[in-house]
Amino acid sequence: QKEVEQDPGPLSVPEGAIVSLNCTYSNSAFQYFMWYRQYSRKGPELLMYTYSSGNKEDGRFTAQVDKSSKYISLFIRDSQPSDSATYLCAMTPTSGTYKYIFGTGTRLKVLA
Amino acid sequence: DAGVTQSPTHLIKTRGQQVTLRCSPKSGHDTVSWYQQALGQGPQFIFQYYEEEERQRGNFPDRFSGHQFPNYSSELNVNALLLGDSALYLCASSLMGLSNQPQHFGDGTRLSIL
Repeated sequence: QKEVEQDPGPLSVPEGAIVSLNCTYSNSAFQYFMWYRQYSRKGPELLMYTYSSGNKEDGRFTAQVDKSSKYISLFIRDSQPSDSATYLCAMTPTSGTYKYIFGTGTRLKVLA
Repeated sequence: DAGVTQSPTHLIKTRGQQVTLRCSPKSGHDTVSWYQQALGQGPQFIFQYYEEEERQRGNFPDRFSGHQFPNYSSELNVNALLLGDSALYLCASSLMGLSNQPQHFGDGTRLSIL
C-alpha cells in the first residue's frame, strides 16, 4: 500500500464547475500538506501549503485537511480551462524542508 | 525574483553512460532536494543537500550521487545509466530552519535513455 493515495483521473468538468480533488494517506506523522499544479512539460507549481488540520483559502482555491480521517482535499471554484493540469498532493512529517511524499497526481480537464 | 533553474532541459543518453544535471536554487534558499518523476507518477525523493552535505536520502542506489557548491547550487550525477532511469528530474529549493516554508520546484530535466 502506498503512503499517499490519489485518484489519477482523468477528471473532466465543464467551465465554471466546482472541482474537488482528494488524497488519502496512511502515515499519521504527516503534518505539512501541499498541493501543486503541474502543466505538461513543466515543474510542479505550489498552490497551497497547510499545517495540521483545518481549512485554508486563497482566491478560487480552498485546501482542507482532516487528520482524523487522514484525508486532504483541494477545491477549485469557478474552474477555468486554464486550470487544466495535473494536481499533485504532497505531505511531510517534520517541516516544509523535509522530504516530500507525493501522490500520483490527478489529471484535470476543464471544458470550455 | 529568480526561481529555481535547471539545466539542461532535455538530455538523451545511452545505457551505461553517465550524466550530470544542474540546479540553481531560488534566490535566498540554501537547501536543494532532487526528485525523480516517472511518466504518470508523482515525484520520488532522491536526496537533499544542505551546507554541502547530503542530509537525507530516498530509496535510490549509489549510482545516484550529488554535490552542493558554496553558492548553494547543486549537481545530480547518475552513473551506469539504465533504461529505467528515463524520467523527469526535478530540483526543489527551500530555506533550512524555516519549517513553515515549502519547497519550490524547477521545470526539470527530461532524461531519455536509449
